[in-house]
Amino acid sequence: SQELEQSPQSLIVQEGKNLTINCTSSKTLYGLYWYKQKYGEGLIFLMMLQKGGEEKSHEKITAKLDEKKQQSSLHITASQPSHAGIYLCGADITGTYKYIFGTGTRLKVLA
Amino acid sequence: EAQVTQNPRYLITVTGKKLTVTCSQNMNHEYMSWYRQDPGLGLRQIYYSMNVEVTDKGDVPEGYKVSRKEKRNFPLILESPSPNQTSLYFCASSEFANYGYTFGSGTRLTVV
Repeated sequence: SQELEQSPQSLIVQEGKNLTINCTSSKTLYGLYWYKQKYGEGLIFLMMLQKGGEEKSHEKITAKLDEKKQQSSLHITASQPSHAGIYLCGADITGTYKYIFGTGTRLKVLA
Repeated sequence: EAQVTQNPRYLITVTGKKLTVTCSQNMNHEYMSWYRQDPGLGLRQIYYSMNVEVTDKGDVPEGYKVSRKEKRNFPLILESPSPNQTSLYFCASSEFANYGYTFGSGTRLTVV
């Protein structure tokens, strides 16, 4: 959805490098969710952010929510080939539990 | 194992032949939803359900029907499929509407 823009659209990094993916909303965020998808498969829930300034971590992945900018960033530290896939952000932008998703960021990690 | 199960995984059908994609979850989740995923368009919500007998339209409901007679099941019905409904479909559930989803493995539908 154009209401939820992800950048970059694709990313190729060398193993061990850090990287950041951004998700920006054109509307107020009532909840921001990060997922990972292997090509053609279902999405795996990573984490949920609901309050401005909130930051969560799962293994080497950290996500932050900047409520003022209506933006979330996903940061991967010391990337590994297992991090490869499509990262999608999802959000409730109406407060009515109707979720939209960004078009995703394709990440490739070179060994 | 906690999961969302969709069937079938792959389906090729002809225009106009009614079909149902089943979705079942074993986590006693209140909230369920259907999405379709298309290249360049991302995931778009078709229908969602806040609880049994409560369903509502998402962004792209035309050509689809759903029902929620039991908490665990949320089938997607295509009464008269058309080629523009060729897509990858996902069912998802969550404990409550503002929690993260558990997704099914997807159903790849081709309508010829």
